[in-house]
Amino acid sequence: GAVVSQHPSWVICKSGTSVKIECRSLDFQATTMFWYRQFPKQSLMLMATSNEGSKATYEQGVEKDKFLINHASLTLSTLTVTSAHPEDSSFYICSAGRRSYNSPLHFGNGTRLTVT
Amino acid sequence: DAKTTQPPSMDCAEGRAANLPCNHSTISGNEYVYWYRQIHSQGPQYIIHGLKNNETNEMASLIITEDRKSSTLILPHATLRDTAVYYCIVMFRDDKIIFGKGTRLHILP
Repeated sequence: GAVVSQHPSWVICKSGTSVKIECRSLDFQATTMFWYRQFPKQSLMLMATSNEGSKATYEQGVEKDKFLINHASLTLSTLTVTSAHPEDSSFYICSAGRRSYNSPLHFGNGTRLTVT
Repeated sequence: DAKTTQPPSMDCAEGRAANLPCNHSTISGNEYVYWYRQIHSQGPQYIIHGLKNNETNEMASLIITEDRKSSTLILPHATLRDTAVYYCIVMFRDDKIIFGKGTRLHILP
């Protein structure tokens, strides 16, 4: 089946630095990928839709200059948290799918970001 | 906003069938019902989806009422590893997933 890989699985960074998270579709091409964040005991919140070869579409309230998304190829999307602050500490998850009939979206295993 | 209503939590005895309900009274004709689950500190896992007919796979069965306003996910023989938050999602096939609060399923030994 479809597999989505995320890297790193966890990262600790200092306040003010930037962190890049990668999302790869391993056995299919994904023109669209999605990025979510999840705070403890809460549901997943959609941050943005990553579109291959064009700008990402951000959900209301998500700062596009803070969360930079690059979807340079059909198998890779990256999320960069710029100038990270402790409040950016969260669980970041990506998803992708073949988008063909009967093929659902699959999710990566998430990246736990801790900003100190 | 999520288009579904689920109970916040449920308990099920290990080895018994877990029946998770979902209401989606405003579902439109071309929207599918998807079920995902999230085990603690992992990404969501796809379980099953359907449009009108009941569906079954190696993980679960999905029962959709004739009017499509509600559905039930059935885990036939629950194990402790099925403890998770289960999300019922209504969406068009090529759309993005908007998560509601889901049902926290506790499997009791």
